[in-house]
Amino acid sequence: SQQGEEDPQALSIQEGENATMNCSYKTSINNLQWYRQNSGRGLVHLILIRSNEREKHSGRLRVTLDTSKKSSSLLITASRAADTASYFCATVSSGTYKYIFGTGTRLKVLA
Amino acid sequence: DTAVSQTPKYLVTQMGNDKSIKCEQNLGHDTMYWYKQDSKKFLKIMFSYNNKELIINETVPNRFSPKSPDKAHLNLHINSLELGDSAVYFCAPSLLGGGGTDTQYFGPGTRLTVL
Repeated sequence: SQQGEEDPQALSIQEGENATMNCSYKTSINNLQWYRQNSGRGLVHLILIRSNEREKHSGRLRVTLDTSKKSSSLLITASRAADTASYFCATVSSGTYKYIFGTGTRLKVLA
Repeated sequence: DTAVSQTPKYLVTQMGNDKSIKCEQNLGHDTMYWYKQDSKKFLKIMFSYNNKELIINETVPNRFSPKSPDKAHLNLHINSLELGDSAVYFCAPSLLGGGGTDTQYFGPGTRLTVL
């Protein structure tokens, strides 16, 4: 299967704590993106990191990319109850238009 | 104005029926994708259209036929529905077709239940 893998599958933390989720993929990529999906909704784009970048920040989000290990991590700092959602990584393979999504991490932030 | 809309939001139907899901975008993006999200939340690409031309067609049964009458619309028609077709279907317009640094804008989804 080409499906990317994310871990953990589920994560439960207290408000104010940091949340880290990881993504592994299988092919060489142009870029890697992270999306959030609230229950019953479509996915919303959070952040994109290019294959020649190693780290990127956006507000409380920090993404790292290690192309040698074919892995990425998403860190959400100072989490809030509103961050409760499923988080997916998506890769775009070199030379294609095809997005391959990871299996997702379900994050629950307890108030 | 909603950027990406899908109708219907919920669709409950019997096995064997034919149904359509409609997607409309006002973003002006050239490329549109259809995804299927199953009960385990796995999201899989089904089709992609660029300027009304099919550019990605995954191993989807030919009971599924996407139609793009114009750049703003990408509809999904499904013939002879089966139980395994039950899922949430998302359309997602994309500006540069996925190869560059663009992103996808997902519709709200259509939850299809086949009885």
